[in-house]
Amino acid sequence: AQSVTQPDIHITVSEGASLELRCNYSYGATPYLFWYVQSPGQGLQLLLKYFSGDTLVQGIKGFEAEFKRSQSSFNLRKPSVHWSDAAEYFCAVGGEYGNKLVFGAGTILRVKS
Amino acid sequence: ETGVTQSPTHLIKTRGQQVTLRCSSQSGHNTVSWYQQALGQGPQFIFQYYREEENGRGNFPPRFSGLQFPNYSSELNVNALELDDSALYLCASSLKGIGLLAETQYFGPGTRLLVL
Repeated sequence: AQSVTQPDIHITVSEGASLELRCNYSYGATPYLFWYVQSPGQGLQLLLKYFSGDTLVQGIKGFEAEFKRSQSSFNLRKPSVHWSDAAEYFCAVGGEYGNKLVFGAGTILRVKS
Repeated sequence: ETGVTQSPTHLIKTRGQQVTLRCSSQSGHNTVSWYQQALGQGPQFIFQYYREEENGRGNFPPRFSGLQFPNYSSELNVNALELDDSALYLCASSLKGIGLLAETQYFGPGTRLLVL
C-alpha cells in the first residue's frame, strides 16, 4: 500500500536560513511525487512534482526537491527562507496509472525573524 | 490561482442531515478528485470521477457519493452526516490523457463543513 511519512510535525527556522523538509514514501511501482503548500484556511498549492527524468526538480518560490530512489525519499529544500514561507507543507505520492494521491500528515513551518 | 472553485466556503449542519458540496474544475479538465482533510491531518482520497464515471474510491462508506457534469462542475454528496464528517473538503481537477497516465491535480480552496 502507498504511504508517506513526514517525520517532522513542526519546524522552526530563522528568516534567511536554509530549509529542508523530509519526506519518505512507500510505493510498489513507479512513484509520482508532489509537494504542496497550504496556508491557514486555504487549499493546496502545488510547489513541484517529480514524474521522471532529472532527480533534482525545481519548483515555484525558490523551492527544489531531490528524488532518491535508494532512500525512498523526496526532501524539499530552500536555500533562504522568507517569512511568507510560513505554512504547512504536504508531501504526496501517486502512481503512474493511479487515480489518487496519498498525503503525509504535513509539516508546519514557522519562520522567526 | 488554480481556476478551481468550490462552494460554499463554510457550512454548518446537524448530525443526520444531508449535504451537497460543489466544485467547478479548470476549463477542459476531464477529471475531478475529492479529498477529506480532518483537522491536523493530510487530505484523504474519497473518490475520483473521470468523464462522469467513478474512477476509483478510497476507504469511505457509500453515504459519500458524487456526480460529475459535462460543464466541468461536480458535486460531493454526504448522507446521514456524522460528527466525524467535520472536515475541510477539497476538490482537485486534472486532465487525464489518452493513456490515462497520472496527472497533476490542482486543488480548490475547499469547503469547511462542521457537523453539530
